[in-house]
Amino acid sequence: DIQMTQSPSSLSASVGDRVTLTCRASQNIATYVNWYQQKPGEAPQLLISSILSFQSGVPTRFSVSGSGTEFTLSISSLQPEDFATYYCQQGHSMPITFGQGTRLEIK
Amino acid sequence: QDQLVESGGGVVQPGMSLRLSCTASGFTFGHYSFYWVRQAPGKGLDWVAGISYDGSETHYAESLKGRFTISRDNSRNTVYLQMDSLTVEDTAVYYCARAGARLLRSRVDPWGPGTLVAVTS
Repeated sequence: DIQMTQSPSSLSASVGDRVTLTCRASQNIATYVNWYQQKPGEAPQLLISSILSFQSGVPTRFSVSGSGTEFTLSISSLQPEDFATYYCQQGHSMPITFGQGTRLEIK
Repeated sequence: QDQLVESGGGVVQPGMSLRLSCTASGFTFGHYSFYWVRQAPGKGLDWVAGISYDGSETHYAESLKGRFTISRDNSRNTVYLQMDSLTVEDTAVYYCARAGARLLRSRVDPWGPGTLVAVTS
């Protein structure tokens, strides 16, 4: 199975900060990564798909980069609604696997 | 609007069975693959199973093989998850999510709101 490792596990930041979340795959997965945002009590929502460069309706402050085994999700200027947990997911091969999540908290 | 709604969750005792349903609306159901993903209380996301657009291909998390079965009825726009021999470790919110035409290499969106399964004696 492909392991997805996210870092950091949690992050405290302030409104207006720029943050970068990292996701590492245990083997080469090209660009087959999806990123999700989950708020407490809610279902995960697709944020950005590197697979199809899908970013419809997502604020431009969110961006992704990477290929192979290392991927990043950046938020250029944190807004109050961005404080949530973020998950990466590989769609390269079965079984589908998720990272353990990065919890983004308000400082 | 593309939408998924799960149902069938509840409180059951260890060793019992439960069948979850995921009903879709707003799009052509038979064109898409689907996943079940679960989330134990306070934990992260765990992929459970996936089924291709026509039901000919299914995949499972290794630890769940033999106990869980995913299926679909394209005439009812519904995906199912049959869960047998439930244990307390199966306690979680279960989400249904739409993948692409292929099981792999696609975005996964939308997700349903989830249904809670609690296994307790």
